[in-house]
Amino acid sequence: SYDLTQPPSVSVSPGQTATIACSGDELESKFVCWYRLNPGQPPILVIYENGQRPSGIPERFSGSNSGKTATLTISGTLPMDEADYYCQVWDSVTERVIFGGGTKLTVL
Amino acid sequence: EVQLVESGGGLVRPGESLRLSCAASGFSFTYYTMNWVRQAPGKGLEWISSISGTGDSMHYADSVRGRFTISRDNAKKSLYLQMDSLRVEDTAVYFCATSRSGAGASSKWFDPWGQGTLVTVSS
Repeated sequence: SYDLTQPPSVSVSPGQTATIACSGDELESKFVCWYRLNPGQPPILVIYENGQRPSGIPERFSGSNSGKTATLTISGTLPMDEADYYCQVWDSVTERVIFGGGTKLTVL
Repeated sequence: EVQLVESGGGLVRPGESLRLSCAASGFSFTYYTMNWVRQAPGKGLEWISSISGTGDSMHYADSVRGRFTISRDNAKKSLYLQMDSLRVEDTAVYFCATSRSGAGASSKWFDPWGQGTLVTVSS
């Protein structure tokens, strides 16, 4: 089965740049999206198709996908950005949706 | 306004059944593949099932195949998840979510999501 690997946690100081990695075999051949998840809230899509931002998502959120690693970048991180972030792909071989294990972003 | 509202969660004993519903509004429900995704306490997101817009194609995660059944009623703009032979490890918040697709064959993402409904399986 296809697996996506994320670091369990990432810490960043307010105003600095946070980068969250998502790795998987031949990931560059897939489209990666990212969700933000706050406790008690539904997931919110923050990036789709590797680097596209949905309307309403601040420009400080960006994404890229190269080689075996996709990256979510949050520039000028705010305390409100503290949340869990999940990457996700569609595995066309098994026709399954795959989520990464999630990364807890701490802003301190 | 695009909205998904889940219902039907609750407390059940192992081996029992439960049926979840998801009411959609604000978009052309028939045109979209719909999904169920869950999050167990302290765990990550897990996709568990999807159903095509016409309802003739369904997919399941290995963890629920043979026990859960996804269905939809397009006239009622509703999605369902019949959960049988429930296990303690099925305890989770269950979300319904709308599939979106891009130009690429493997470009798929979920937006929007419902608020979720809690299912607790405990003796």
